Amino acid sequence: DQQVKQNSPSLSVQEGRISILNCDYTNSMFDYFLWYKKYPAEGPTFLISISSIKDKNEDGRFTVFLNKSAKHLSLHIVPSQPGDSAVYFCAASDVGDSDKLVFGAGTILRVKS
Amino acid sequence: KAGVTQTPRYLIKTRGQQVTLSCSPISGHRSVSWYQQTPGQGLQFLFEYFSETQRNKGNFPGRFSGRQFSNSRSEMNVSTLELGDSALYLCASRVEGASNEQFFGPGTRLTVL
Repeated sequence: DQQVKQNSPSLSVQEGRISILNCDYTNSMFDYFLWYKKYPAEGPTFLISISSIKDKNEDGRFTVFLNKSAKHLSLHIVPSQPGDSAVYFCAASDVGDSDKLVFGAGTILRVKS
Repeated sequence: KAGVTQTPRYLIKTRGQQVTLSCSPISGHRSVSWYQQTPGQGLQFLFEYFSETQRNKGNFPGRFSGRQFSNSRSEMNVSTLELGDSALYLCASRVEGASNEQFFGPGTRLTVL
């Protein structure tokens, strides 16, 4: 039972354009959401997070949007750069189980120059 | 500040053997979590330790176990290895009481032949 789903295994974007990575969840108890980026042979690196009391959080080129009614969040990267090419994981936790992150399967982003 | 370190980075074992993986968290981090990453499955939560006590456990068989020492270093053990245990094992640490952001190590790549 996948509680966090990233339905696009891969995404290819031209340098300078916007990258939009999507994530859906099923557990209504999730109250905190995170995005991680992972390069080969390295551990995931935290990118940006959002609490369920917000619908948007921005950090430089990265913006995360949360639509609680649709149980959907997205990560926007603008402008995309070749160095952004990596696997992006969406993760969630719930208030009663905050030490456990539930991850999606990941989306491979390729930014072409 | 040094990041999360994991040893060994690569390991090859045969079916039926057992293996012990080690994780040193970031200095001052007392919570350590373990995740298994397999292709197409994202990261699956194994367990979380805090102050030498297991606080949370994922849906893995009893062959997977762990412990935490007084200096917050953690080990995980897999007994009677199966081919399906081949994966990247990631350790993450975080500061208790802070956000849900976890800091990951580079992982141990385990191959079971």
